[in-house]
Amino acid sequence: EPEVTQTPSHQVTQMGQEVILRCVPISNHLYFYWYRQILGQKVEFLVSFYNNEISEKSEIFDDQFSVERPDGSNFTLKIRSTKLEDSAMYFCAGRQWWGEKLFFGSGTQLSVL
Amino acid sequence: SQELEQSPQSLIVQEGKNLTINCTSSKTLYGLYWYKQKYGEGLIFLMMLQKGGEEKSHEKITAKLDEKKQQSSLHITASQPSHAGIYLCGADRGYKGNAGNMLTFGGGTRLMVKP
Repeated sequence: EPEVTQTPSHQVTQMGQEVILRCVPISNHLYFYWYRQILGQKVEFLVSFYNNEISEKSEIFDDQFSVERPDGSNFTLKIRSTKLEDSAMYFCAGRQWWGEKLFFGSGTQLSVL
Repeated sequence: SQELEQSPQSLIVQEGKNLTINCTSSKTLYGLYWYKQKYGEGLIFLMMLQKGGEEKSHEKITAKLDEKKQQSSLHITASQPSHAGIYLCGADRGYKGNAGNMLTFGGGTRLMVKP
């Protein structure tokens, strides 16, 4: 079965530093998402991306966050100036259409020190 | 926003026993997804239900969506240690055109199976 690939699997950074999390979605998917899960908490929606632009974002996704898919393959999440509370597992996901199965990557564990 | 409540929050069962996990929505479910997550790993798709009264099975796991489409249950028969993990239900909102159409998730049920 096709897979969503995320890199790196773990990222440790200092508070205030920029991080970029990378995802290679499945090639025929049209909708792309970033979710995060703080340890012991719910999987939370961050942002959705369709047709090369953000289609929806949550309150969590503030000005410190950005997403892009510059080359039609890699889908990235950038956090400009990380905070301690950004420490979480970040999941990339994608699907072909509404009502279709949502495929998740294996996640990037971000630790902000 | 759509809230999904899962119960129980955690469950410990003896190997071989049956168990049921519930997912209840405050609004009509347009699509209900069950995922399994092992600690520190990604979400593995189990099943998707879209029609009221629908029931699907895969190996020893059966998921049902009630007729009113506000509650789903996940039933595991003759549980094994390999069933251990966190089970998450996720829901689609009604179709919103090209807008996000993301899934929202319940808080998860942590299952432990004692050998």
